[in-house]
Order: sequence, then structure tokens, then C-alpha cells
Amino acid sequence: SQTIHQWPATLVQPVGSPLSLECTVEGTSNPNLYWYRQAAGRGLQLLFYSVGIGQISSEVPQNLSASRPQDRQFILSSKKLLLSDSGFYLCAWSVGLQGGYTFGSGTRLTVV
Amino acid sequence: GENVEQHPSTLSVQEGDSAVIKCTYSDSASNYFPWYKQELGKGPQLIIDIRSNVGEKKDQRIAVTLNKTAKHFSLHITETQPEDSAVYFCAPPGGSNYKLTFGKGTLLTVNP
Repeated sequence: SQTIHQWPATLVQPVGSPLSLECTVEGTSNPNLYWYRQAAGRGLQLLFYSVGIGQISSEVPQNLSASRPQDRQFILSSKKLLLSDSGFYLCAWSVGLQGGYTFGSGTRLTVV
Repeated sequence: GENVEQHPSTLSVQEGDSAVIKCTYSDSASNYFPWYKQELGKGPQLIIDIRSNVGEKKDQRIAVTLNKTAKHFSLHITETQPEDSAVYFCAPPGGSNYKLTFGKGTLLTVNP
């Protein structure tokens, strides 16, 4: 069966520090991978998505970047965090769209 | 791109009552209509979906109805229980093969 792993669950980082969040998927090949951010409140903002190794599409220009070094690994990074980067970060995968997305459990990032 | 609106933004019902959440979309190319449930501190989970060649789908206490002519689909929850309390999102894809467009969410509270 397919599973998605996202870590860490919570993270408190000072302003100006770097960030690396990792997401891995098991049990499927060539998934589409996504990073979302959910700020206080309810909206889900798509940050990046990838349809293959090394292929990254950015949805919103910002202080973050994404990489996909392996088929089932998706990494969200920042060189210098801003206060506005605080939020709930969610990784998700899909194979096509007709089965929807499967989300990870999320990382709660607080920048102080 | 796809424009998605969800109504209402908050909904409070008594246990045992029914709840209905409506999602309107703009892109007639949408052919897949999912609903997600997000409990506090967790990632969203797909609870029910429908394809464009079907008008209604039921799964126990939840159902989704689709009106492609009017470009809206609705989530129906019957015999609500306190554990149904969560934020619900609709997420049609528009014409994209890779991305879902999420509504802003509906906070459902079921009062015991």
C-alpha cells in the first residue's frame, strides 16, 4: 500500500535560519508531488508541484524553493526564513488526478 | 485558471441534523469533483469524489451531488455526529492534469 512520510511534525526556527522539510512516498512510482502551505485559518496555498525527477513548477514567487532529487522524495527549502514563512506545510502525492491527492501529516513551522 | 467558491464558510448543526456544503467552480473542463475533510492538526483526507459522468454518489452518511450545467457540486452529510466536526474542502481540477484547486474551506461544527 502507498504511504507518505513527512517530517518533522513541528519545528521552531529563528528568523534568518535555513529550512529543509522532507517528504517521501512509498508504494508507488512516478507520483506527482506537491507542497502546500496553510496559514492561520483554512486556505491551502499550492507552493510547488513536480511531475518527475528534477521537474519543479513554482506557483507563488517567495522565499522558498523545492527539489526532487529522487522519484519519491520531495524537499522544501529556504536559505533564510522570514516570519511570514510560519505555517502548516503539507506534502501530497497523486498518480493522475482521478484518485485525488493523498496528504502527509504536515509540519507545523513557527519562525520566531 | 479555475475559480472555486465554497459556501457557507462556517456551519453549525445539532447532532443528528443534516449538513450541506456547496462548491461552485468556473472551468467547464473540470471532470473530477472531490471533497476533503481536515481534522485539527492533520492533513486533509479524501472522503468522497465523483466523476463528471455521474450525478450522485453515496457512501454511508455522506453523498456528493453534481450539477455540471450549473457548475456546482455539493457535499451532504446526514445524521451528523460530533466526529464530523472538521474543515471540509472541495477541490475541482479545472482543466489541469496535475493540480486541484481548493476552495477556502467550510468549518463544520456538530454540537452534541
